[in-house]
Amino acid sequence: RKEVEQDPGPFNVPEGATVAFNCTYSNSASQSFFWYRQDCRKEPKLLMSVYSSGNEDGRFTAQLNRASQYISLLIRDSKLSDSATYLCVVKFGIGNEKLTFGTGTRLTIIP
Amino acid sequence: NAGVTQTPKFQVLKTGQSMTLQCAQDMNHNSMYWYRQDPGMGLRLIYYSASEGTTDKGEVPNGYNVSRLNKREFSLRLESAAPSQTSVYFCAGRQDFYGYTFGSGTRLTVV
Repeated sequence: RKEVEQDPGPFNVPEGATVAFNCTYSNSASQSFFWYRQDCRKEPKLLMSVYSSGNEDGRFTAQLNRASQYISLLIRDSKLSDSATYLCVVKFGIGNEKLTFGTGTRLTIIP
Repeated sequence: NAGVTQTPKFQVLKTGQSMTLQCAQDMNHNSMYWYRQDPGMGLRLIYYSASEGTTDKGEVPNGYNVSRLNKREFSLRLESAAPSQTSVYFCAGRQDFYGYTFGSGTRLTVV
């Protein structure tokens, strides 16, 4: 089983719709969680951290469920500019420097 | 602010050739990382350096060496390139708790 698993998609969603992605992780000792965004042929960029209580940044909402070991990303009122690959990222363990990346979920927003 | 700068952006090598990928950051990061990204595999850690003067193996270190020349620079060397090393290589610096800042990547093709 992969340490971090995501549905690869692609998700093709009409503009203005709401879309949600889930990501599961295998290590219950995981400490920190992030969503990164990667545009085609570009580097990954931090979209948002995921906090235990859940957090929101504009149209984006991230949730963490430690009991079921998954995190989610909800995008409301999707824009054409949201088209990208979304990477689920987990940091395992205290003091562990390394991040582990999921393979990404590809999202295309259709006009 | 340049952030994390990688050179070259593109490279084609013949099997058996050697080369060094350069990475420099001006964000005062202590930790630096080299990842490779392949289709369907996500980002996989090759080597990392938690601080100046230290380096450690990641998930896929075979065929690579690294050098943390100083706090700013972290280079990745392929001593004898193989077609299996065709990939996109990303350098990153750790942005404290909030994840990484990535360079723009090096697209390497080994023929």
